[in-house]
Parts: sequence; C-alpha cells; structure tokens
Amino acid sequence: NAGVTQTPKFQVLKTGQSMTLQCAQDMNHNSMYWYRQDPGMGLRLIYYSASEGTTDKGEVPNGYNVSRLNKREFSLRLESAAPSQTSVYFCASSEETGGFGGYTFGSGTRLTVV
Amino acid sequence: ELKVEQNPLFLSMQEGKNYTIYCNYSTTSDRLYWYRQDPGKSLESLFVLLSNGAVKQEGRLMASLDTKARLSTLHITAAVHDLSATYFCAVDMWANNNDMRFGAGTRLTVKP
Repeated sequence: NAGVTQTPKFQVLKTGQSMTLQCAQDMNHNSMYWYRQDPGMGLRLIYYSASEGTTDKGEVPNGYNVSRLNKREFSLRLESAAPSQTSVYFCASSEETGGFGGYTFGSGTRLTVV
Repeated sequence: ELKVEQNPLFLSMQEGKNYTIYCNYSTTSDRLYWYRQDPGKSLESLFVLLSNGAVKQEGRLMASLDTKARLSTLHITAAVHDLSATYFCAVDMWANNNDMRFGAGTRLTVKP
C-alpha cells in the first residue's frame, strides 16, 4: 500500500535556485495539501487543492506555487529558494477537504537552503 | 485567529505512570484529530474525534473532546517506552473557510 509518495526525501539548494517537490497518492482522494514543519511550530498549511483543477492558499503561501496535475498528483514549486524555506515538507491527502476522517501523510522532504 | 495550544510541549515520564496531554483551541470546531510522529518519520493518524463528548481508545491511549470547553485530552495509561514520540493535535477549521490547524506538538519520552 503506497498511500502518499513524496520525492525527493532530501534536498540541498543554494539560495536562488528553484525546485519542485512531487507528491502522488493512490487512494483516489479528492483533496491534497502541502504543509511545512518547523521546530516548535507544528505543521503549517502552504497550499491545498480541494479537488482536481482547484488550488488555494493556506496559511504560509508566499514563495511557493503549486500545480494539481491530475487527481493523483500535487506538486509544490519553489521558484527562488531562500534560507527561510529550510524546513520539512509534508504532502497529505484526504477524501474530502478538511480531512473528515483524518489525513494521510507522505514521508516528508527535508529541504535545506544554504 | 485560531490558536491551537498544546501542553506540555515536553514530557518525560517513567514507565508505568499515567499522564494527560492537553489541547486547547480558540474557536468553534467539532472535529479534532490526534497524530503521532516518530523522529524523522511522517505523521500517523491516531484518533478522529467528531463530536462533543467523543471518546476514543486504542491500547494505552485515550482521547476525548469537549467542544464547549474547546479542549481535547490525550490520556496515557501505564506508559511504555514504545509510546515515546511527538503527539500533535489538529483542529479542523474547514467549515469556517480556514484550514486544519496543528498544535506545536508534545514530545513524549518514556523512561524505563
């Protein structure tokens, strides 16, 4: 059971570089999310996609863009990485927006921007 | 603005002891979730609490929800080392056009 798959697991970027974090789920969930986790701050929502074809900003969207490529895939792009974006990024999915029944999380991407 | 506050943030306890983790939130919601995270790992769903008075139990963990008090508790009974992890509560705010807000987490260490 794959669940939610994120790639890469680790990444080091130089300030100003760009990259895309990939996320795919195989549970036929409608909603997908990108969170960042920083020490002592829990998880904060960056962007979400309530359904295929829609995306919306979360709590901390600045510096990020997203694409809901199809029902399975939801990518997060950093156009010009900054040290403040050093974090662990989690993708999650749920059957409906709001995670009724809870979210399924991916294994995370640990990103360091130097 | 919605705030979700967990306490304590750090908890060190002896095996066999009981303890409670508290999750307070600042606005109306009747959906609350508890997650477990092991170091370097992802979040694992523990409990989904969907109404006032909901109580769920799994092994040595029991979670409850009081929506009137805006409080959820995660009670640990007779702790064992395997329960060492970070526990997060999350409050569902989607009904108010907001997102699911997470607490900062409680890092639990159970010592022999």
